[in-house]
Amino acid sequence: GENVEQHPSTLSVQEGDSAVIKCTYSDSASNYFPWYKQELGKRPQLIIDIRSNVGEKKDQRIAVTLNKTAKHFSLHITETQPEDSAVYFCAASSNNAGNMLTFGGGTRLMVKP
Amino acid sequence: DGGITQSPKYLFRKEGQNVTLSCEQNLNHDAMYWYRQDPGQGLRLIYYSQIVNDFQKGDIAEGYSVSREKKESFPLTVTSAQKNPTAFYLCASSRLSNQPQHFGDGTRLSIL
Repeated sequence: GENVEQHPSTLSVQEGDSAVIKCTYSDSASNYFPWYKQELGKRPQLIIDIRSNVGEKKDQRIAVTLNKTAKHFSLHITETQPEDSAVYFCAASSNNAGNMLTFGGGTRLMVKP
Repeated sequence: DGGITQSPKYLFRKEGQNVTLSCEQNLNHDAMYWYRQDPGQGLRLIYYSQIVNDFQKGDIAEGYSVSREKKESFPLTVTSAQKNPTAFYLCASSRLSNQPQHFGDGTRLSIL
């Protein structure tokens, strides 16, 4: 089945700096890659997603890039703010797995004021 | 998302007891999911349902059961066979599989 690995597990940046979180996946048939933000004790919230027919997608300070050949995708957050502090999860889904999402282990992002 | 309601927020289970977690959605979504989240870890799929009266096991279904008698409802029962049930349980729904999933606020289950 699909395996998603996420790095780093923790990331500390200074306010205003950029943050990059990387994920790799194993199933070459995966075609949908969402990113979720989860604040402590709260529900995960979808912040951006990308499908395999595009290589990059942006939404204000957030962008996601996808490299299908290397089977990895990344989340980029620019001009980080303290409210960006949370745990971020990547996920991948594949037709081979009934289109179910497989999640990475999460990255705890801390933005220091 | 206000469209998915999980209850209760906190739940305590005694030894040998079955407990049921509620999940209701008013988004008219066909697919619903149950995930388990342990501290500092990602989400693992317990069960999912793509249509009423049908559901499939996820990666960690042992000790759990579900039903999908109505489109809006997907309750999860944690049975006494689940020996380590302490976790944060999240319900989600999507219009179809491979579409964005929307999560409820979760239920935190603990053992008395």
